[in-house]
Amino acid sequence: DTAVSQTPKYLVTQMGNDKSIKCEQNLGHDTMYWYKQDSKKFLKIMFSYNNKELIINETVPNRFSPKSPDKAHLNLHINSLELGDSAVYFCASTDKGAPRSYTFGSGTRLTVV
Amino acid sequence: AQRVTQPEKLLSVFKGAPVELKCNYSYSGSPELFWYVQYSRQRLQLLLRHISRESIKGFTADLNKGETSFHLKKPFAQEEDSAMYYCALRRGSSNTGKLIFGQGTTLQVKP
Repeated sequence: DTAVSQTPKYLVTQMGNDKSIKCEQNLGHDTMYWYKQDSKKFLKIMFSYNNKELIINETVPNRFSPKSPDKAHLNLHINSLELGDSAVYFCASTDKGAPRSYTFGSGTRLTVV
Repeated sequence: AQRVTQPEKLLSVFKGAPVELKCNYSYSGSPELFWYVQYSRQRLQLLLRHISRESIKGFTADLNKGETSFHLKKPFAQEEDSAMYYCALRRGSSNTGKLIFGQGTTLQVKP
């Protein structure tokens, strides 16, 4: 019974395309995140939503737009994909930001060709 | 600004050898420090929190505020410990849950 699930697991697409990654958590957590792990394995936060409200928006190109239809879902839409967007994107959730409850998804490996 | 530094990109040891994965941080307040582990192509998992002062899978980590370090240690490495290890910091006063990660260290335990 997966706690934080992301789809798709792998995504290969051409430059210039628009794509979405979906994330769902069934833990009842109120806060969700998107992290990016680049080719050098560097892991950095992109966005965070608390109860559908954006609370963290790091310096990310505005081609990236998160959307949270409800507190169990946080999707990431990327417009005009570029080669540099190739990375593994991890979704995570917590209960009120509590570290003990931090749960990561298994990641979406995005490859832009 | 808060920052987490893991100086070693790769640490390679033989099975049974002691392991120390280094982590230094910069933050003027009271941070919360964590170690996360990522086995090959799997999700990140919480390994340790400095607050709980626990030992998980034989690993321990002590927060040294004087040296601003939170090194991860294990006396005898096992092959199954091979993974990517991330040190992470959270501002003590933060309720957003934002984690700041170090660059990660790949631990390779050879037979």
